[in-house]
Amino acid sequence: KAGVTQTPRYLIKTRGQQVTLSCSPISGHRSVSWYQQTPGQGLQFLFEYFSETQRNKGNFPGRFSGRQFSNSRSEMNVSTLELGDSALYLCASSLDNPYTTEAFFGQGTRLTVV
Amino acid sequence: AQSVTQLDSQVPVFEEAPVELRCNYSSSVSVYLFWYVQYPNQGLQLLLKYLSGSTLVKGINGFEAEFNKSQTSFHLRKPSVHISDTAEYFCAVSDPGTYKYIFGTGTRLKVLA
Repeated sequence: KAGVTQTPRYLIKTRGQQVTLSCSPISGHRSVSWYQQTPGQGLQFLFEYFSETQRNKGNFPGRFSGRQFSNSRSEMNVSTLELGDSALYLCASSLDNPYTTEAFFGQGTRLTVV
Repeated sequence: AQSVTQLDSQVPVFEEAPVELRCNYSSSVSVYLFWYVQYPNQGLQLLLKYLSGSTLVKGINGFEAEFNKSQTSFHLRKPSVHISDTAEYFCAVSDPGTYKYIFGTGTRLKVLA
C-alpha cells in the first residue's frame, strides 16, 4: 500500500512569507501528527489530528497552525516565517492512537528560510 | 514532565561487532517506549516498541531492546551489525493520553568496514 506522502519535498521561502505543507496519510488512517526536526532541537511535536479534531498541540507559537480534512489529509501552515523555522517537517499517520498502533512517517518536507 | 536521554550522540562500531545504544527516560506515569531509525534524507521507521508484557522486545532487522523499569532504561541492541545499519536512531516515549512522542536527541550509529 502507498505510504505517507508529503508535498513538497523541498521548499525555499523568504523571511516574512508564509508556507503551507501537505500530508496525505495512508489510506484508512485517521490520525495525523506533525513534527519539526532541527539539528539543535531535535524532533519536536507540533500537533496531532484525528477525524478533523486537534487532540494535542506542542509548544510552538501561534504562527504554526494545522488542520485536517474529512479525507484525513492534513496541512500545516507557518506564517511570518523566521530563519529559525528552517527544518525538516515530518508527518506521521496511524489508524487511531499513534502510540498503540504503529505510526508511519513520511519522508518530510525540508523548509529553508532565507 | 517526561524526558528521554540518549547517552551517546555517536557510536562507531566495526562490521559484525555487537552494539548497544543507550536510552533512559523519566516519567511519573506508565509509558510506552519506542525505537525509530532514520536513514539519510528519509523519514523515521519503527524498529520496535514496548507497550506491556515481556520486557524483551524483538524488532525488525535483528534489533532487540529490553525494558528495565527499575533503571528506567530501554537500551537497543544488535548482536552483529552491518554496514547498512549506519543511520540515526531515536528513542521515544509516549504518555498514552497525550497522542505525542517525546524523542531523544538521537544516536548516530556508524558501522565501519
